[in-house]
Amino acid sequence: EPEVTQTPSHQVTQMGQEVILRCVPISNHLYFYWYRQILGQKVEFLVSFYNNEISEKSEIFDDQFSVERPDGSNFTLKIRSTKLEDSAMYFCASRFEAGDAAEAFFGQGTRLTVV
Amino acid sequence: GQSLEQPSEVTAVEGAIVQINCTYQTSGFYGLSWYQQHDGGAPTFLSYNGLDGLEETGRFSSFLSRSDSYGYLLLQELQMKDSASYFCAVPKSGNTPLVFGKGTRLSVIA
Repeated sequence: EPEVTQTPSHQVTQMGQEVILRCVPISNHLYFYWYRQILGQKVEFLVSFYNNEISEKSEIFDDQFSVERPDGSNFTLKIRSTKLEDSAMYFCASRFEAGDAAEAFFGQGTRLTVV
Repeated sequence: GQSLEQPSEVTAVEGAIVQINCTYQTSGFYGLSWYQQHDGGAPTFLSYNGLDGLEETGRFSSFLSRSDSYGYLLLQELQMKDSASYFCAVPKSGNTPLVFGKGTRLSVIA
């Protein structure tokens, strides 16, 4: 069964360093998302991406964040200068199409720890 | 904007039935979804309601009342493996990203 894959599964970084989280969405999907989940809290939307551009972003997604789809398969989230409060689980998700039946397929996540 | 309210925790006995409620406030309505998340795992899609009424998928059912801005997830014949967090979610608009409730942690006990 097709799945969204994320690498790495765990990332530890020092405050102020840049990190890149990688995702390979399901191959025929068109809509891509990043979410984060701070331990014990709800899943929060960061950004959505369609047709090679950001279609929507939340207030969390400030200038330190960026996304890219550098080739036909990868979808990356870059955090330029990490802060302690960026420590969270980051989930990539994809959908085949827009529309109301909002089934999104999530990757297993990258646990980011900023020290 | 969107906001969703659901209970933070529910405990139920193995074999029983449990209902997890969700009330929502949205600027537009594009359906209510439910996701399951086991500890350390990714959210996985359970069900979607675009219209009023009950949708059944095996042991899980989901109900929606648009006039009440309310839905629920019903889990029957509970099993220990159903212990997880359950999130209701709504799209922000017709094409998009989901906004999740804070989640209900279900503990199934013997």
